[in-house]
Amino acid sequence: GNSVTQMEGPVTLSEEAFLTINCTYTATGYPSLFWYVQYPGEGLQLLLKATKADDKGSNKGFEATYRKETTSFHLEKGSVQVSDSAVYFCALTSYSGGGADGLTFGKGTHLIIQP
Amino acid sequence: DSGVTQTPKHLITATGQRVTLRCSPRSGDLSVYWYQQSLDQGLQFLIHYYNGEERAKGNILERFSAQQFPDLHSELNLSSLELGDSALYFCASTTSLAGVGEQFFGPGTRLTVL
Repeated sequence: GNSVTQMEGPVTLSEEAFLTINCTYTATGYPSLFWYVQYPGEGLQLLLKATKADDKGSNKGFEATYRKETTSFHLEKGSVQVSDSAVYFCALTSYSGGGADGLTFGKGTHLIIQP
Repeated sequence: DSGVTQTPKHLITATGQRVTLRCSPRSGDLSVYWYQQSLDQGLQFLIHYYNGEERAKGNILERFSAQQFPDLHSELNLSSLELGDSALYFCASTTSLAGVGEQFFGPGTRLTVL
C-alpha cells in the first residue's frame, strides 16, 4: 500500500533561516505528490504539488521536487517568516481505476518560526 | 475560504449514539472525500464519492457510512460511537475523478464522544 514518511517536529527555526522538511514515500504506480499546510483551527490548504517525476512544485517561496529515484519530495524555503508557522503535511494520491483513492498523509511536521 | 462548508462545527455526544456530519462541496465539484484527523492515527482517508457514487474506500469502519445526494452534498454517518471516534472530520472536494487536482478542504467538524 501507499505510505508517506516525514520528519516529525516540532521544528523550531529563527526568522530568515533556511527550511528543509524531508518527505519520502512508497507507492504503487505513479502517484501525484502534494504538500498541504494547516494553520491553527483551520482546514488544510494546498501549498504545492507535482504530478510526475522531476516536476518542481513551487508557491509562496516554498519548493519541492518529485524525485522518483529516491522516492522523495522534500520541502524547502530559503528564508522563513513567522507567518510560516503551521503544520505541514506531505501527501500522495494514486488512481485505482475506479476512482482516486484519497490522499495518504504523513504524520505532519509542526514548524515554529521565532522572531 | 475554500468554498467547502461543513456542519456542525462542533458536536458533543455520548458513547453508543449516532451522528450525521454534513458537507457541501465547492460549486461545480463532483468529488467529495472524507478524512478523519486524530492525535494517534493522524489524517486518514475514509471514503470518496463522485457524482453520487462511491468510488474508493480507505480505513472506514463498518459503523461508519456515507452518501452523496443529487445536489452533490454529502453526509457521513457515524453510529455506535466509541470514545476513540473523537476526532476532527474533514471533507474535501475537487472537480476530477482522478485525484491529480487540488482537493479543497472544509473547516472540519470536531466530534467529541463522552
